Amino acid sequence: EAEVAQSPRYKITEKSQAVAFWCDPISGHATLYWYRQILGQGPELLVQFQDESVVDDSQLPKDRFSAERLKGVDSTLKIQPAELGDSAMYLCASSPDLVAGGINEQFFGPGTRLTVL
Amino acid sequence: KQEVTQIPAALSVPEGENLVLNCSFTDSAIYNLQWFRQDPGKGLTSLLLIQSSQREQTSGRLNASLDKSSGRSTLYIAASQPGDSATYLCAVLNSGGSNYKLTFGKGTLLTVNP
Repeated sequence: EAEVAQSPRYKITEKSQAVAFWCDPISGHATLYWYRQILGQGPELLVQFQDESVVDDSQLPKDRFSAERLKGVDSTLKIQPAELGDSAMYLCASSPDLVAGGINEQFFGPGTRLTVL
Repeated sequence: KQEVTQIPAALSVPEGENLVLNCSFTDSAIYNLQWFRQDPGKGLTSLLLIQSSQREQTSGRLNASLDKSSGRSTLYIAASQPGDSATYLCAVLNSGGSNYKLTFGKGTLLTVNP
């Protein structure tokens, strides 16, 4: 069964350092999402891609976060510099289409647990 | 702005009991609603997806209902088992112009005691 892959699964870093997370969506899925989930909360969308284009990055802290999906397949989320408040689970998801009225179901990867010391 | 609320925040039941988890949302103009399961430190597993035109979906011991007009959904778990212990998240999909946004509740932490 096809799955969303993420790496690393765990990352510990010191504040002010740079970190990067990688996501490989399910093959053929045009839409890719990055979410941040703080402990005890639901996931919140950071950025959404349709193919290689960003369609929503309104909640992405652009002073320190960046995301890219250069060839419209896998994606990288970067934080530079990391802050203590960035400690969270970073989840990647993909879905097959954005077509209205169709089934828009998101499939999630295992996540990357980031701890900033 | 869509807001999703899940009640209760935590629930502890003995094995074998039937239970109901509740989800409410403020904007009824949704495309679908998903229920997810999340084990500690893990990603999300989709359990059920209900389209806006549907009233309910069933999978095994799980049944999810949707009352779009009142902004409510319930997840019914029959004959609960210790393996059902996890956090259950409700999420609704709305259109935000050219894109579609999934808004999550904070989840219900379920503990099923042997």
